[in-house]
Order: sequence, then structure tokens, then C-alpha cells
Amino acid sequence: GNSVTQMEGPVTLSEEAFLTINCTYTATGYPSLFWYVQYPGEGLQLLLKATKADDKGSNKGFEATYRKETTSFHLEKGSVQVSDSAVYFCALTPYSGGYQKVTFGTGTKLQVIP
Amino acid sequence: DTEVTQTPKHLVMGMTNKKSLKCEQHMGHRAMYWYKQKAKKPPELMFVYSYEKLSINESVPSRFSPECPNSSLLNLHLHALQPEDSALYLCASSLTRGQAADTQYFGPGTRLTVL
Repeated sequence: GNSVTQMEGPVTLSEEAFLTINCTYTATGYPSLFWYVQYPGEGLQLLLKATKADDKGSNKGFEATYRKETTSFHLEKGSVQVSDSAVYFCALTPYSGGYQKVTFGTGTKLQVIP
Repeated sequence: DTEVTQTPKHLVMGMTNKKSLKCEQHMGHRAMYWYKQKAKKPPELMFVYSYEKLSINESVPSRFSPECPNSSLLNLHLHALQPEDSALYLCASSLTRGQAADTQYFGPGTRLTVL
């Protein structure tokens, strides 16, 4: 079956530090890959996505590259802010078209301190 | 516009109450989803509707009853819930075909507390 593995949190960083949250996946075929962010007390927001190998998704200074050879989709940001404190979920859907069953990772909590 | 709205934002109910959660989207999406999220866990899929028909029920207890009256609206009717049903209930929607069909957009959720 499909699975997503994320690094354990919480991750605590000082403001302006470099962020990496690791994500690896197991899936057949060519899944689409996503990062969702959940701020405290809120729902999930789509942060970025990539649908094929070597695609780079980017949004709000965050980036992730779809690496088929290493089955990875690591999230990076060059300089984090206090407002980036949230839980980040890596996720995949197995194919395009029709309705999807999303496989989520367990989530990684990021705390950014001033 | 990629907005999914949910009401109410918070709901407190007793175990004998009947209440409903509402979800709405106006993006022309024809797939809609209910998820349940417990604290510090990822969302768990409950139901999927495709073209207003129930496509997937992830073995959810019958005290949860979904309804899709039209292509923009999704309800979740609640009856005789248990305290362990307290959670954040998230609605999502997606296209059913085309390049962007794989992307689900989530609402802000309803925080449910069962006393």
C-alpha cells in the first residue's frame, strides 16, 4: 500500500534559520505529492504540490522537489519566520483523475522562536 | 477562489442531541470529502461523495450520516455521539477530472466537543 514517512517533531528553530522537513514515500506508479500546513486551531491549507518527477513546487518561500530516484519530497525554506509556526503534513495521491484517497504523513510540528 | 467554508466553527453537544455540520464550495468541484482529525494526528477519511453520490464510506459508525443535497453543499448529520467522537471535522473538495483533479482543498473545520 501507499505510505508517507515524515521526520519526527517538534522542530524548533530560531527566526531566519534554514528549514528542512524530510518526507519520503512509498507508492506504486507516479503519485502526486503535496505539502499541507495547519496553523493552530485551523484547517489544512495547501502549501505546494508537484505532480511528476523533478517538478519543484513552491509557495511563500517554501520549496520541495519531487525526487523519484530517492522517493522523497523534502520541504525547505531559506529563512523561517515566527508566523511559519504550524504543523506540516506531507501527503500523496496515487493518480490523477477521479476522486482520491489521500495518504498523509504523521505531521511535523515546527516552532520558530524570535 | 479556492475556498471551502464550514459551519459552525465550534459545536458542543450532548450524547442525546442531534446536530448537523455544513460544508460549502463554489469552485465547481464534484468530489467532496469528510475527514475526522484527532489532536496531533493526520486527518482520517470518513466519506467521499462524487457527483452527489456516496462513493466511499470508510466503515464509519451509523451515528454519522452524510448528505449531499447538491453539487456545492455537503452535510454531516450527527446523532447519539460518544465523547470519543470529539475531534476536528474537516471538509474538502476536489475536481473529478483534469490535471488538477488530484488536489483536495480543505475547509477550516468544525471543532466538535461531545459531553
